[in-house]
Amino acid sequence: DAKTTQPPSMDCAEGRAANLPCNHSTISGNEYVYWYRQIHSQGPQYIIHGLKNNETNEMASLIITEDRKSSTLILPHATLRDTAVYYCIVRVMNTGFQKLVFGTGTRLLVSP
Amino acid sequence: ETGVTQTPRHLVMGMTNKKSLKCEQHLGHNAMYWYKQSAKKPLELMFVYNFKEQTENNSVPSRFSPECPNSSHLFLHLHTLQPEDSALYLCASSQETGAPLHFGNGTRLTVT
Repeated sequence: DAKTTQPPSMDCAEGRAANLPCNHSTISGNEYVYWYRQIHSQGPQYIIHGLKNNETNEMASLIITEDRKSSTLILPHATLRDTAVYYCIVRVMNTGFQKLVFGTGTRLLVSP
Repeated sequence: ETGVTQTPRHLVMGMTNKKSLKCEQHLGHNAMYWYKQSAKKPLELMFVYNFKEQTENNSVPSRFSPECPNSSHLFLHLHTLQPEDSALYLCASSQETGAPLHFGNGTRLTVT
């Protein structure tokens, strides 16, 4: 699986947009970008994934650069409950089981 | 509520004890996973079961023994553990076709 690089920590003011970057310069053409987050004392939670087009759901937006070497997860209006560790993972979407390899992620702190 | 339930939430055991962790999902998923999360380390994939068959054993010591009696239940049997095995043990499930992982909230294990 392609490796990803994320900043270890970021801060964001409540109500502002949180933009979390991820570099995946060795990504292959058939590898998807996944984002998960882990709130303290809970298991990881799926947020969003995409291949090459930008994606949006009720939780976040995912912007993937045209060369697919990097992406940004956007939380449009961060709340205190968005404080968590955010993981960016790239994985081939095959027909078998999901084998996701987690890195160390970005610790996002949302402050009042 | 994630749809994946793990029991117990907390477990303290001695090095000579035998205990079991339980995971249950009623999401209709066909694949189930055990992950280990040690302090300040990324999540480590331990075992994968697909349609009740073990498809992945990530070089896990034999003192950890998984069991998957059906697609809805997964166990992790523990015996003669070491203090360094203290960690958060997370169960997850997914559809066979590669939908996102759904995680439980984990069992916090302390080996004394």
